[in-house]
Order: sequence, then C-alpha cells, then structure tokens
Amino acid sequence: GQQVMQIPQYQHVQEGEDFTTYCNSSTTLSNIQWYKQRPGGHPVFLIQLVKSGEVKKQKRLTFQFGEAKKNSSLHITATQTTDVGTYFCAKKPAGNKLTFGGGTRVLVKP
Amino acid sequence: DTEVTQTPKHLVMGMTNKKSLKCEQHMGHRAMYWYKQKAKKPPELMFVYSYEKLSINESVPSRFSPECPNSSLLNLHLHALQPEDSALYLCASSQRTRPGDTQYFGPGTRLTVL
Repeated sequence: GQQVMQIPQYQHVQEGEDFTTYCNSSTTLSNIQWYKQRPGGHPVFLIQLVKSGEVKKQKRLTFQFGEAKKNSSLHITATQTTDVGTYFCAKKPAGNKLTFGGGTRVLVKP
Repeated sequence: DTEVTQTPKHLVMGMTNKKSLKCEQHMGHRAMYWYKQKAKKPPELMFVYSYEKLSINESVPSRFSPECPNSSLLNLHLHALQPEDSALYLCASSQRTRPGDTQYFGPGTRLTVL
C-alpha cells in the first residue's frame, strides 16, 4: 500500500539545540497530520496541514507541507526535555483511514 | 471534554480466555476506531465504526470481534488470541469520518497474551 516514510528513525538532541524530522510520500497527499506520543503514552494530535507550501507554528514547533504535497517537516527549536517522545506523521486520504509513518523517536540529552 | 477512556489499562490473558476491551467517549463523536500498536511501531488501524456501523475492517483475524453498542461505547471482544497479539490497543474517536476530523486517542489497553 501507499507508504509514508519518516526520517530519521531516532534523533538524539542536546537540550537547547534544534532538530528537524521529515516525512516523505511517493504520492501526492491530500493532507498530513502530526502526532506526538510520549513514552508510555498515547498519540496526541498536534496539527493538520492541507495546503501546498503551508507553514504552521506552535510555539517552538514549526510544521511545513511541501509545495508538491509529497513531503512534510517538523522543526523544533531550543529542544527541551518535555519534547521527548515519538513524533508521527500520518496521512489521511479521502475517507477515514489514518496511516502513520514509522515515527521519529526523540531523546533529549540534558 | 476531549477525553476518550479505555478499560482495563492492563490485561493479561491466556490463549483460551475470552476477554473484552472497552472504550468510551462523551464528545458526541459518531466515528470510533480501534488501533493496534506493537512496541516501537506506529499504530495500525484495525476497525472503523461510523454511526454505530462497521465501515472498515482491515482484514483483522476473527479472533478480534468489535462491537459498538451505542454512539458512546466501543468494545473489542477477544477470543483464542495468540502471543503475537500482545500489544497496546488504542481506541480513538472523531466527530465524523471526514478527512479533516481530528482523531482523539484513548490511553490504550496494554494486552499480554500468555
């Protein structure tokens, strides 16, 4: 089936540094969603991007949807220990099936 | 209130047992979902209910039997499971099944099959 690939699989970040995680699709996406799952927790919806080239910000998090709507990125500035967790992108084509990428597991070094 | 509740939090069962997982939401959502998540993997969709009717079954083995008694409740009946079925089972709900409808996840039931 259609896959959504995420890189990197793991991200070790020094506290205070920035990092970016990427989500790529071989086909054009109607939208892309991002979720965060803390260790031992459940996925929590962060944002949805719909428009080509769309950029949305949530405090230190910046989400971007590519011009061709085949890729997306999540950039976190000044990483904090509270940013620890796995970040998933997910596509939701017409209908109601949510398909997650493999996730980027973020570990923060104090 | 954007809360989805799930019971039990943890469940250990033998391969011959019959058990049920329960999910509840009071947000007036008419779409409910079951996902399975193995360790260090993303959630995988199992079932979708829309207006209390099963709309999607992702080729899930019949030892998993979903039920939606009313618009607030979703059950997953388990019978004759295998050890490889051990996983975190997540319930989610959304207003409807439109692509823009946000899915809200419950805390999950961590299932161990012995």
